[in-house]
Amino acid sequence: DAGITQSPRHKVTETGTPVTLRCHQTENHRYMYWYRQDPGHGLRLIHYSYGVKDTDKGEVSDGYSVSRSKTEDFLLTLESATSSQTSVYFCAILTTGFGNTIYFGEGSWLTVV
Amino acid sequence: QQQVKQSPQSLIVQKGGISIINCAYENTAFDYFPWYQQFPGKGPALLIAIRPDVSEKKEGRFTISFNKSAKQFSLHIMDSQPGDSATYFCAASMQNAGNMLTFGGGTRLMVKP
Repeated sequence: DAGITQSPRHKVTETGTPVTLRCHQTENHRYMYWYRQDPGHGLRLIHYSYGVKDTDKGEVSDGYSVSRSKTEDFLLTLESATSSQTSVYFCAILTTGFGNTIYFGEGSWLTVV
Repeated sequence: QQQVKQSPQSLIVQKGGISIINCAYENTAFDYFPWYQQFPGKGPALLIAIRPDVSEKKEGRFTISFNKSAKQFSLHIMDSQPGDSATYFCAASMQNAGNMLTFGGGTRLMVKP
């Protein structure tokens, strides 16, 4: 499972409330990513990080912010959740070695009501 | 603008048959083309990947065919089994530009016994 833990795994929240999803890795990988998955859209990149305090935007970053204060943790925050942010969120890490491979976590199911 | 287009959206195959999923990409800078398999409630898992310097890669019953001039690649699943029933995603990335994966929309495969 590449040592990725996402929390919470399931959450229901109300519109307008802040929400933070956590991704924790145990293997000190430099690159970490947040994707969202919606039917018909595959997975779309929200934000990514290439080191502590080094982050950048992805394809669908509006309404989301991220932080990485430690190598092992990458946080995704929805400052004011909206119904359009109801989705499944996947964290991923990049492993290097014999080839660059991206591994995904088990996902966080978020419902905004 | 969808940079990776995947077809079909859904596919039904009889046990023992060949499943074929196609993808087309637009960005000629992509240099890594993985396929991911996803079971319900799970994160995507890397199945097989190819780089553009080869036209075909085979791992067990799974084969990627790659056509650089046409900017297309496909996944063939030989002797399809009910256990192969899952959603399959093609993706593409640039290895020297953050490795961010751009995904196709996904294909839901059902293999009938």
